Amino acid sequence: AQTVTQSQPEMSVQEAETVTLSCTYDTSESDYYLFWYKQPPSRQMILVIRQEAYKQQNATENRFSVNFQKAAKSFSLKISDSQLGDAAMYFCAYRSARTGTASKLTFGTGTRLQVTL
Amino acid sequence: NAGVTQTPKFQVLKTGQSMTLQCAQDMNHEYMSWYRQDPGMGLRLIHYSVGAGITDQGEVPNGYNVSRSTTEDFPLRLLSAAPSQTSVYFCASKNGGQFNSPLHFGNGTRLTVT
Repeated sequence: AQTVTQSQPEMSVQEAETVTLSCTYDTSESDYYLFWYKQPPSRQMILVIRQEAYKQQNATENRFSVNFQKAAKSFSLKISDSQLGDAAMYFCAYRSARTGTASKLTFGTGTRLQVTL
Repeated sequence: NAGVTQTPKFQVLKTGQSMTLQCAQDMNHEYMSWYRQDPGMGLRLIHYSVGAGITDQGEVPNGYNVSRSTTEDFPLRLLSAAPSQTSVYFCASKNGGQFNSPLHFGNGTRLTVT
């Protein structure tokens, strides 16, 4: 079974600075998808960014980018120019690309990000 | 476009009571699922459905029942609530035909069992 590990329960960053959230995963599969979800205090789950394992290029969405290291099974999220609205819990998630896996997501335990002035 | 709608937002139950958490989506998604979120444990899959009339168990199915009589609705039933079921519950759906499409989540239901 796949596992996702987020080793940083809490992180803090100053406004306008850059922060990197870590995620590692364990799988024997070669094709899969990785996601970062943001959960603000409103409890809503918001997709931040996704990466397909067969793509070597790291995904980028505005101030959010990932460092995907397939061999190391690492998928870190970099937030540039941090804003107060970035304060939230961030979850890393894995999904197999195998047919028959029915779109199941395996989540990490989350990293709570604080943004300070 | 409402997306995924969960009701209620909050619920308090006594041990042994039953209730149904409602989930509806208006995106014609084939795939629907229920997760529970507990502190320090992330989200864990309870049950899922790949289409009307088809359901299957996830990682933590005990104590929960589901059915999928229509594409739009996927209710989660607690037949006899226990304090261990105190959690935040999320319903999520996805376009089954697009393999790399993301899950769309509802806003969650906070359930407390006393």
